[in-house]
Amino acid sequence: SQELEQSPQSLIVQEGKNLTINCTSSKTLYGLYWYKQKYGEGLIFLMMLQKGGEEKSHEKITAKLDEKKQQSSLHITASQPSHAGTYLCGADKDTGNQFYFGTGTSLTVIP
Amino acid sequence: DVKVTQSSRYLVKRTGEKVFLECVQDMDHENMFWYRQDPGLGLRLIYFSYDVKMKEKGDIPEGYSVSREKKERFSLILESASTNQTSMYLCASSLRLASGYNEQFFGPGTRLTVL
Repeated sequence: SQELEQSPQSLIVQEGKNLTINCTSSKTLYGLYWYKQKYGEGLIFLMMLQKGGEEKSHEKITAKLDEKKQQSSLHITASQPSHAGTYLCGADKDTGNQFYFGTGTSLTVIP
Repeated sequence: DVKVTQSSRYLVKRTGEKVFLECVQDMDHENMFWYRQDPGLGLRLIYFSYDVKMKEKGDIPEGYSVSREKKERFSLILESASTNQTSMYLCASSLRLASGYNEQFFGPGTRLTVL
């Protein structure tokens, strides 16, 4: 089975600091998705990456997929309390239409 | 905007009760999914459906069943609830695409406690 390892498991940063979350797969990823979840709520889609070397940005969040398509990183610049939550990476199973999910990274931003 | 709604945000049931969790999506998506989310274990797929009346087992189907009589509605059924089914349940939907590259849209979740 394909597994997604996320690191770190949790992160506490001061407001204004930059941070990076990693998502690593043992197999080539067909599609890699980043989601954000606030405590007790559903998942909100952030970005999707498909091609090796691809990079996407939205506001202060940048996601990258490496050339081998086995590792993705999510980088937040100048973090704010609104960035707090759990970030999950998900990937298409090679059979399509189903996902694997990482175990998540809990982010706390201290004002 | 895609909307996925779940019938309850919080639910408390007793051991042995039959429990129904309902999920409705309004974007004509073919695929619908039920996950449970537990600390340290992440999201685990219980069942998914790729069409009306069609279902496939996910990673942890034991103790659950599902029903999809209409395209927009996907129900998760706990035939006899047990305490180890206390969890956050998340429903999702997506288009069915040949390439498999497709975003899943999630509902707000139902936090179920079984006493």
